[in-house]
Amino acid sequence: DAKTTQPPSMDCAEGRAANLPCNHSTISGNEYVYWYRQIHSQGPQYIIHGLKNNETNEMASLIITEDRKSSTLILPHATLRDTAVYYCIVRGYNTDKLIFGTGTRLQVFP
Amino acid sequence: GAGVSQSPSNKVTEKGKDVELRCDPISGHTALYWYRQSLGQGLEFLIYFQGNSAPDKSGLPSDRFSAERTGGSVSTLTIQRTQQEDSAVYLCASSPAGQVGTEAFFGQGTRLTVV
Repeated sequence: DAKTTQPPSMDCAEGRAANLPCNHSTISGNEYVYWYRQIHSQGPQYIIHGLKNNETNEMASLIITEDRKSSTLILPHATLRDTAVYYCIVRGYNTDKLIFGTGTRLQVFP
Repeated sequence: GAGVSQSPSNKVTEKGKDVELRCDPISGHTALYWYRQSLGQGLEFLIYFQGNSAPDKSGLPSDRFSAERTGGSVSTLTIQRTQQEDSAVYLCASSPAGQVGTEAFFGQGTRLTVV
């Protein structure tokens, strides 16, 4: 499975867009990019996933570069409840294993 | 049930004792995962079940750890002769049909403390 690289921490003002980057330069053509988040003391929560097209749902948008070597998770209007650790994961085609890295700790401040 | 259920939510055990942690996946989900999360750390993959296939045990840290999944549903993670370094939150997740592109749903975890 391809590995991912994320900044260890980021800050964002409440109401502003939070843009969380992820590098996955060794991703292969049939691997998906997944994003999960973990709010303190809770189990991880699925956010969004994509293959090559940009995706949007009620929680976030996922922008994947054309070469698929990086992606950005966008929380359009961050709230204090979005404070969490955000994990970018590449999920192999031949396996369902989700291998979590160290993630980005997003702190949303008032 | 509506989500992945894990029991107990908290477990305190003495060093050297065996413990069993239970996971009830979402009905119909064929894939089941166990992870471990030590305090302040990320999620460490332990084991993965998919339908009737042989489980992927590549993440189990030692032979003291084992897991079973009976009837393709409930799973039990067993830790024998517990050590203090086994103290962590043990998380279970399930997903449908084992297809790439499907999301995994996590339980709230079992917090294991070995004293």
